Amino acid sequence: DTGVSQDPRHKITKRGQNVTFRCDPISEHNRLYWYRQTLGQGPEFLTYFQNEAQLEKSRLLSDRFSAERPKGSFSTLEIQRTEQGDSAMYLCASSLSVGPSLAYEQYFGPGTRLTVT
Amino acid sequence: GQQVMQIPQYQHVQEGEDFTTYCNSSTTLSNIQWYKQRPGGHPVFLIQLVKSGEVKKQKRLTFQFGEAKKNSSLHITATQTTDVGTYFCAGHSGYALNFGKGTSLLVTP
Repeated sequence: DTGVSQDPRHKITKRGQNVTFRCDPISEHNRLYWYRQTLGQGPEFLTYFQNEAQLEKSRLLSDRFSAERPKGSFSTLEIQRTEQGDSAMYLCASSLSVGPSLAYEQYFGPGTRLTVT
Repeated sequence: GQQVMQIPQYQHVQEGEDFTTYCNSSTTLSNIQWYKQRPGGHPVFLIQLVKSGEVKKQKRLTFQFGEAKKNSSLHITATQTTDVGTYFCAGHSGYALNFGKGTSLLVTP
């Protein structure tokens, strides 16, 4: 399967614990996005990478959230001191751009479902 | 900030009936994208509209972008059970792609 992959698919953690998710984008895709989705809502933008550079982070994103894409390939999203409100599906998407336009389709991974107890 | 609103939130149709979902943005959009998410699945890209007044068709699906580039619609002719899912529109604000809440379509055979 050459699509976007995410690991783990499910994570149950206790409040206050740290969690880390991994996203492997489609090979050679230079753009990578993280979203959060809760039931009945559309994906909510969290952050965007172009290659290894994090170019935008949602202002709604708590300082407990951090993301990296160290070599411009896979990315990790870490949540520190998890809260029950962090329970959601965390989606990763990637796209390939050949210019500055943002108008490229995004390919989504299957997501990591986080449950904070 | 930019907000993307979709109506209706839910739509239940009989197979063979038509379906339309509407998307409105609080700001002018450079482009608009549509995605479909099946129950238990992840969003899948359907189409992108860029030009004012643009109309694109994919088999039974017709997508329109408003003249002012602030609204869009998706129309499905003669729905089938395979059309079941949630349809999202999304527009860019900076690098962020902002999704509407989606319209969930249920098709009864």
